[in-house]
Amino acid sequence: DTEVTQTPKHLVMGMTNKKSLKCEQHMGHRAMYWYKQKAKKPPELMFVYSYEKLSINESVPSRFSPECPNSSLLNLHLHALQPEDSALYLCASSQDGGRTDTQYFGPGTRLTVL
Amino acid sequence: DAKTTQPNSMESNEEEPVHLPCNHSTISGTDYIHWYRQLPSQGPEYVIHGLTSNVNNRMASLAIAEDRKSSTLILHRATLRDAAVYYCIPGSNTDKLIFGTGTRLQVFP
Repeated sequence: DTEVTQTPKHLVMGMTNKKSLKCEQHMGHRAMYWYKQKAKKPPELMFVYSYEKLSINESVPSRFSPECPNSSLLNLHLHALQPEDSALYLCASSQDGGRTDTQYFGPGTRLTVL
Repeated sequence: DAKTTQPNSMESNEEEPVHLPCNHSTISGTDYIHWYRQLPSQGPEYVIHGLTSNVNNRMASLAIAEDRKSSTLILHRATLRDAAVYYCIPGSNTDKLIFGTGTRLQVFP
């Protein structure tokens, strides 16, 4: 099973809402990632978790709060977002982030902030 | 991080070979060259990676220049399903993939 699942597929939220994106993998991977992708642009790395610890935060605003409750799950908590945060949010996982590792991506959650 | 230059777009007919070039002149000696592609409405997927010598797998071949400043992804027989954005990503650790603008490949029947 090489699948990364993400829920929900679509999310519409107001600027005062709190919501969460969920990502799950059962490949035994110990590195998990959040990316943001605006329309017609490449994915941009946001956060990396390695062995359930946050290892990379690419200067992401605090209104995005990642959480890795266990090795299979990755959440992205959203609070007080802005319309410009509307994008496709992609989750990925890999064995351990090593030099020849392969990242497996989920299909993404399309977020619209009103 | 090494900078990459790829054509914005390329076209191919079905069942013809496709050569997708990538320049990465600032690549460091320990950087692997990774290729990913993103089909419409999907997350990116891994295609192939290499360090110095040419590599083949079931999806594609990767030809790496002797000076490692450029590489070419080769799809031997393009299919409609190969229409995607192809990203060339040099890097020393895969925990920080930096996607460039990529090449949008169109495949015509």
